[in-house]
Amino acid sequence: EDQVTQSPEALRLQEGESSSLNCSYTVSGLRGLFWYRQDPGKGPEFLFTLYSAGEEKEKERLKATLTKKESFLHITAPKPEDSATYLCAVQAYSGGSNYKLTFGKGTLLTVNP
Amino acid sequence: NAGVTQTPKFRVLKTGQSMTLLCAQDMNHEYMYWYRQDPGMGLRLIHYSVGEGTTAKGEVPDGYNVSRLKKQNFLLGLESAAPSQTSVYFCASSYLSGARVLQYFGPGTRLTVT
Repeated sequence: EDQVTQSPEALRLQEGESSSLNCSYTVSGLRGLFWYRQDPGKGPEFLFTLYSAGEEKEKERLKATLTKKESFLHITAPKPEDSATYLCAVQAYSGGSNYKLTFGKGTLLTVNP
Repeated sequence: NAGVTQTPKFRVLKTGQSMTLLCAQDMNHEYMYWYRQDPGMGLRLIHYSVGEGTTAKGEVPDGYNVSRLKKQNFLLGLESAAPSQTSVYFCASSYLSGARVLQYFGPGTRLTVT
């Protein structure tokens, strides 16, 4: 069974204080790992997809990295508008075609001014 | 492009009542999904569809039915609502990039069953 574990559950930072969110996963074979941002009362918004170990993607103050067992979402010099819940999801290989994602429970990030 | 839209945004039901949630997408995506999101549980897949006229069960399908009569619409039905179905429901649609699904989510429907 595919599993995705995110840590910490909640993270509180001061504006400008860099940190990282972790997503560890267990899958039979990884087809893709996805990061989403979710603001209160809204649907998740796609941020990044990573395909293979060693890959990195960047967008503004966010950088996502991938190893064979986990992914990190690094936040550099965060601003209050980066406050949100960050969700990690995996798409696994399975016998036939697999069009489903397995989501972690998310990390609630709060950035104080 | 409106993307993925969901109707209604909010609903309160009494136990035993029925209702249908509508999801529509204008991106010509082949795949569509219904999730529920509960505090501490994350997003859980209820049902999904890999094409018009097809549906399949996800992780938590009991108490729900779905239909995909048109490619752009995916309906989620509750035949006899229970308090345990109080949740926020999200619809998503996706296309394949290579063999990878890129899912786009709607704004959600907040359902309360009393």
